[in-house]
Amino acid sequence: QKEVEQNSGPLSVPEGAIASLNCTYSDRVSQSFFWYRQYSGKSPELIMSIYSNGDKEDGRFTAQLNKASQYVSLLIRDSQPSDSATYLCAVSGGSNYKLTFGKGTLLTVNP
Amino acid sequence: DAGVIQSPRHEVTEMGQEVTLRCKPISGHNSLFWYRQTMMRGLELLIYFNNNVPIDDSGMPEDRFSAKMPNASFSTLKIQPSEPRDSAVYFCASSFEVAGGGETQYFGPGTRLLVL
Repeated sequence: QKEVEQNSGPLSVPEGAIASLNCTYSDRVSQSFFWYRQYSGKSPELIMSIYSNGDKEDGRFTAQLNKASQYVSLLIRDSQPSDSATYLCAVSGGSNYKLTFGKGTLLTVNP
Repeated sequence: DAGVIQSPRHEVTEMGQEVTLRCKPISGHNSLFWYRQTMMRGLELLIYFNNNVPIDDSGMPEDRFSAKMPNASFSTLKIQPSEPRDSAVYFCASSFEVAGGGETQYFGPGTRLLVL
């Protein structure tokens, strides 16, 4: 049974700070890693994907992957109140298309 | 593109009634996924289809749940009979998968189901 663990939070940061979200996964054959953002009452939307070890940057967002430690993280620089949402880590791998989601971390950015 | 379309957006029904949720995936996508989201269990995959064929239904909670995908542009998730514990938000997602998977899944707006 694949497991994806996230700090449940809530995580609260002041506006302009760096928010750090963490995720660990149990299946070593996992190959694809995703961060989804979900606003309250809305559907998840993809914000970052990462497939190889290291960092991947997209605007204010940086995803970090360490397959040896089975760890993936998301950094949000210059956090804005509009970043307040639940962030879901998702992992897929092997020979199928299934995504396994963590339960999410609720982030609140305070003005 | 219109994105993934789900209907109804909200459904309130009484225990024992049949519930049918509908999904239209993004045109050209070859994989479709049904998820259920609750506060307690988070986002759980119920079933997924590839090229209209059910590939993995191990997440379907019990025989009361069934899903079909008669063609590339339509899928249904049916609950019969419904129970209060089925109350949740049900999401449909689609993607274009190549060998090995791992492509982005795009979610529909969800159906909020309340079983009284």
